[in-house]
Amino acid sequence: DAGVIQSPRHEVTEMGQEVTLRCKPISGHNSLFWYRQTMMRGLELLIYFNNNVPIDDSGMPEDRFSAKMPNASFSTLKIQPSEPRDSAVYFCASSLGSRGRSYNSPLHFGNGTRLTVT
Amino acid sequence: SQKIEQNSEALNIQEGKTATLTCNYTNYSPAYLQWYRQDPGRGPVFLLLIRENEKEKRKERLKVTFDTTLKQSLFHITASQPADSATYLCALDPPPSYNQGGKLIFGQGTELSVKP
Repeated sequence: DAGVIQSPRHEVTEMGQEVTLRCKPISGHNSLFWYRQTMMRGLELLIYFNNNVPIDDSGMPEDRFSAKMPNASFSTLKIQPSEPRDSAVYFCASSLGSRGRSYNSPLHFGNGTRLTVT
Repeated sequence: SQKIEQNSEALNIQEGKTATLTCNYTNYSPAYLQWYRQDPGRGPVFLLLIRENEKEKRKERLKVTFDTTLKQSLFHITASQPADSATYLCALDPPPSYNQGGKLIFGQGTELSVKP
C-alpha cells in the first residue's frame, strides 16, 4: 500500500499565480479530505468528498480556492490567484466512511505540499 | 463552536518515564476522539480511537482515557523512548446530532521530547 500520495512536495510561487495541488488517495477509500496546517491555526479542514462528491466546503477560505475530484483516485486543490497568506502546508487525507464521517475509520494523511507564496 | 485545547508548551521528559498529554474540549461531547502522531515534514499518523462510551483504550505502550464529564482525554506513553519524540494531536468527531459529519476537528498538538 503506497499510502496517500501528494504532489508536489514543495511549491514556491509568486503572488497572483495559479497553484494546483494534487492528491491520490488510498485505493478503496471513499472519503477524501483537504486540510491546511499553519503554526497559528493548526490543522483546518478545507473541504471533503465522499464517493467523489463534495460534501462540505465551508472551510474553503475564499472563492480563490477550488477543489475537484473527477474520479476515485485523484483530486486537485487549486488556488487562483495565490496570495502570500496562502502559504502553509496542505494535506490530503483519505478514509473509509459514510458521507465523510470517520467513525471507526481513521484518516490516512499524505506527507503534504509545502506552499510558499512570495 | 467546538474548541480543543492541548498543552501549548512542549513536554520534556526523561527516557523511561510516562508521558501524559492532555486534550480538553468545550461544547458538545464527541462521538469519537482520536489521537495522531506527527513528525516534522510528515503528515499525521493515526494512533488510537476511543468512543464516547469507552473509558480507556490501550495499544502496546499507549493508553487513552476519555472522561465526558470532565470533557477531557488523556494520552499516556509508558516507558517512553527518544523515538516517541513528536507532536501529538487529538481530534474530535462530532456526534450525528450536530450534523457535522466528517468534520474531524484537530487540536493544535503538543510537542513531546524524550531525552535519553
